[in-house]
Amino acid sequence: AQTVTQSQPEMSVQEAETVTLSCTYDTSESDYYLFWYKQPPSRQMILVIRQEAYKQQNATENRFSVNFQKAAKSFSLKISDSQLGDAAMYFCAYHVRAGTALIFGKGTTLSVSS
Amino acid sequence: KAGVTQTPRYLIKTRGQQVTLSCSPISGHRSVSWYQQTPGQGLQFLFEYFSETQRNKGNFPGRFSGRQFSNSRSEMNVSTLELGDSALYLCASSAGGRDSPLHFGNGTRLTVT
Repeated sequence: AQTVTQSQPEMSVQEAETVTLSCTYDTSESDYYLFWYKQPPSRQMILVIRQEAYKQQNATENRFSVNFQKAAKSFSLKISDSQLGDAAMYFCAYHVRAGTALIFGKGTTLSVSS
Repeated sequence: KAGVTQTPRYLIKTRGQQVTLSCSPISGHRSVSWYQQTPGQGLQFLFEYFSETQRNKGNFPGRFSGRQFSNSRSEMNVSTLELGDSALYLCASSAGGRDSPLHFGNGTRLTVT
């Protein structure tokens, strides 16, 4: 079965600190795409970062980076220098290719305190 | 570029009625996908359209249907509404290529009473 597991329903971090959100997934495919999306109270799902499974190099986008371990089927998100605006629900997801179902985890609610 | 636009933002319907939700993709995007988000089930894939053709469908009953127009705008219809259809319905568009990321709209919050 295609599943995505986010084991941390809630996480908290202080401003300027670093936090890591965990994600594991299960797929029999060898080629796929992984994503982290952020959903603030405005409800819009915002793409944070993406990783192609065939690339060994971990993706980075400014303060956001991933630790992709293909053999372990692990895809964690690291947020450095956390800001108040980072507070949101974060979803890990993957699909085999665009157009097929994007399989989401249940999400991790991140709170940021000053 | 304007983002993905979903209308209306909120809807309240009565059980047994039908509803139509609208989605305008980012200009140039030919693929539109629909997702249902509920607290219990999380985010679930409904279907995806590309160039007016449904390419993929999730595991939802036939009461859920959709279509895409020649300008890539898409509509989703739910007939004979049930209380369990109350959810946030999200639309996402992409260029349609294999590695094209999805860009989501703000969603339509449907409440069935």
